[in-house]
Amino acid sequence: DGGITQSPKYLFRKEGQNVTLSCEQNLNHDAMYWYRQDPGQGLRLIYYSQIVNDFQKGDIAEGYSVSREKKESFPLTVTSAQKNPTAFYLCASSTPGPYEQYFGPGTRLTVT
Amino acid sequence: QKEVEQDPGPLSVPEGAIVSLNCTYSNSAFQYFMWYRQYSRKGPELLMYTYSSGNKEDGRFTAQVDKSSKYISLFIRDSQPSDSATYLCAMVAAGGTSYGKLTFGQGTILTVHP
Repeated sequence: DGGITQSPKYLFRKEGQNVTLSCEQNLNHDAMYWYRQDPGQGLRLIYYSQIVNDFQKGDIAEGYSVSREKKESFPLTVTSAQKNPTAFYLCASSTPGPYEQYFGPGTRLTVT
Repeated sequence: QKEVEQDPGPLSVPEGAIVSLNCTYSNSAFQYFMWYRQYSRKGPELLMYTYSSGNKEDGRFTAQVDKSSKYISLFIRDSQPSDSATYLCAMVAAGGTSYGKLTFGQGTILTVHP
């Protein structure tokens, strides 16, 4: 089955620790995205990548980092510099135009 | 002012009702419009996708875009309890530096009760 996988589903970390969220897709999509979702809010773009070895900051990139070494993979690292990291993190991918994005199941990160 | 405004609800309707979900936007460069459905603790799934103005129908769902008013709607006919979810509108400008960047509304929580 083609799709996007995110792991783990739930993640717990202590404040001050970096944590990496996994995102893998087998849809052969060039573009991949990371979003953050907080209660009562829509999705906010953290980082996106249109092609391997290239990525751009989204609207709320501070405290996050990414890499895109393979077409299938786009891991997100939440660093200790992120002031409010507890949230639901969603990964998505799309073909170039017409921009339909397909989402993974999400990772719920709790930092205490 | 947010680029995309969506009434968060919550919206509660009886089974069988017609549901109308709406978004307004301010960026006239938006050309592609989407509706996503998100069940609790799950990733959003793409429901409908339209380009520019007009209507698109898919089963019980109809998406409507009015670019002159900067207004989009999703209609659900014969609503079912399984339609209970958060509905997110999203839109994107074609080309340029906004390549592929969706802008989302904050989502409307819908409950359809039997």
